[in-house]
Amino acid sequence: GAGVSQTPSNKVTEKGKYVELRCDPISGHTALYWYRQSLGQGPEFLIYFQGTGAADDSGLPNDRFFAVRPEGSVSTLKIQRTERGDSAVYLCASSLGRGPSNTGELFFGEGSRLTVL
Amino acid sequence: DQQVKQNSPSLSVQEGRISILNCDYTNSMFDYFLWYKKYPAEGPTFLISISSIKDKNEDGRFTVFLNKSAKHLSLHIVPSQPGDSAVYFCAASAEWGGSEKLVFGKGTKLTVNP
Repeated sequence: GAGVSQTPSNKVTEKGKYVELRCDPISGHTALYWYRQSLGQGPEFLIYFQGTGAADDSGLPNDRFFAVRPEGSVSTLKIQRTERGDSAVYLCASSLGRGPSNTGELFFGEGSRLTVL
Repeated sequence: DQQVKQNSPSLSVQEGRISILNCDYTNSMFDYFLWYKKYPAEGPTFLISISSIKDKNEDGRFTVFLNKSAKHLSLHIVPSQPGDSAVYFCAASAEWGGSEKLVFGKGTKLTVNP
């Protein structure tokens, strides 16, 4: 499809397990973002990629969280030793970035709902 | 500390009337503001935006007003329709050292009653 694709849509895991969430951005979008949304909250920034490199990872809560984008397209968010507090919807978004002819709005996927039991 | 605040968690209006959703921000470095709409089990979708060099932007039934001195923006929907019922997020952006991340408010749930 033409939009941002995220898999899995739902993931239930046990405390302490390792989880990977995948994001396939809109073709041609150089900027990719991961956000986390907890119940009753707005999306909370985690990390931003420009191409293959993480331009801003200031939102990652701790070193259990890591994300990669090795070829500048698909990205994977990796969570080690999951905790119950990690339960949330993880949103991926892509963008053309700011420029003279675009305004940098983000296009979001439907999210991956993570539940840690 | 929340940099983008939506102080009304919910709003209910009658079909055909105006809906006004409010948003305040604290960081004067923000130079671009966006509204997103979110239905249950879907990702947020872009609705309308405004640059800090403007004070109004209109797109059909949706108008965003920006008051920079008060660090306040609002989204007006007129006339409101039942299909507008969703959670609306205000977001702000600034270019900080190359990062173009958006900072979101907590959202306002709009219900438009037929």
